[in-house]
This record gives sequence, structure tokens and C-alpha cells, in this order.
Amino acid sequence: DAGITQSPRHKVTETGTPVTLRCHQTENHRYMYWYRQDPGHGLRLIHYSYGVKDTDKGEVSDGYSVSRSKTEDFLLTLESATSSQTSVYFCAISAFGTSGHHYFGPGTRLTVT
Amino acid sequence: RKEVEQDPGPFNVPEGATVAFNCTYSNSASQSFFWYRQDCRKEPKLLMSVYSSGNEDGRFTAQLNRASQYISLLIRDSKLSDSATYLCVVTYTGNQFYFGTGTSLTVIP
Repeated sequence: DAGITQSPRHKVTETGTPVTLRCHQTENHRYMYWYRQDPGHGLRLIHYSYGVKDTDKGEVSDGYSVSRSKTEDFLLTLESATSSQTSVYFCAISAFGTSGHHYFGPGTRLTVT
Repeated sequence: RKEVEQDPGPFNVPEGATVAFNCTYSNSASQSFFWYRQDCRKEPKLLMSVYSSGNEDGRFTAQLNRASQYISLLIRDSKLSDSATYLCVVTYTGNQFYFGTGTSLTVIP
């Protein structure tokens, strides 16, 4: 299995609080992604990174920001959590971008009350 | 309209059966295609890539039809361990990845 971890694995937070999720990889892959998975919607891309300090928005980026200061870490921040952001968040890594496949982390279950 | 559409199922099949899933995509400027498997409350894992000429991996066969814009996955001799959700993925240049919502398969003893 690819070396990719996410923390925390579970979190319950209140509406309006900031939340940061961390993705850490040991594969030295260039591309990193954050997805959310919701029933009826499948996996949707939030943000991605194509190198250190290089990030771009995905399909559902509103209310989220990201940072990548090191190759191995990609942080996802919910600036002010809302109940609509209750979801399962998956980080993924890829060596080749769209010509290659993803390796996914184990996921973070986030509940916003 | 969604970029990628899958029949959500569920598909309930007996052990040993052959089952096929289809996935259609809306944009002809696609780059790569994949099938992933996701077990309950787990992360998706790559099952197989899909190549233009079709490809096989043991009991699994994947096919691509660019003219009709769909990909398919055929599972022969279904095992209990094949029970999972199967996700199709279509990619486009510019780091665009689109996942289907998944097709649920349950293999019954």
C-alpha cells in the first residue's frame, strides 16, 4: 500500500469553527488532492496541488483552502465549518496527474454540528 | 448533467455469476479511464486501468468505447469477496478527475 496517512481520522466540530485536516505522504509524489464523498454525489474534487506551493481549485472549493509547504504534506482548512461540510474527506496522491491513477488515504470523517 | 454517470444498482448476484457495469461520460476530450473498488467505510482502491483495446486481469475485463463514450467492467465467476462498490473514473487534461457515484455489488452465497 502507498504511504499516505490522514489526520485526524474522525472529528466532530461546531458550526463556525475552523478545522484543518492533514494529509501526509511518504511516496514523494508530485500531485496531491483533496476530495469529499457524499451519498448521491460520489467523490468530488475540492482542491489539488501539483507541487510545493502550487495549488488550484477543484469542483467544490468554496469554503475550503489548502496549503502545501512541503512535498509530503497537504493541508485542507475549512475556514468556518458549516453543516453542509459534514462529509468523508479523502486525500489522494498521484505520480503522473491525469495520466495516472490515485492512491487514496484512509479518509477523515468530519461531522459539523 | 453529470460528467460521469453510473447505474447505482444495487446488483445482487449469486456466486459464480457474470455481472457487467457500465459507465457513461459526457465529454469526448477525455484522457484516461479507471475502475476503482471501494469497500464499506474504506478508501477507494484501484482495480484496473481501462485501455482503448480493452484489457483483462484475471476474472475482470474492462472495455472502452470512445465512439459511444462509455466504459464497462465485466466480472466473471463472481466471488463473495467481490462484494463492494465499483467506481468509474474519467480524467481530462488540467488535472480534472471525475468519479461516478458508484455501483453497488453484492454477491450472494
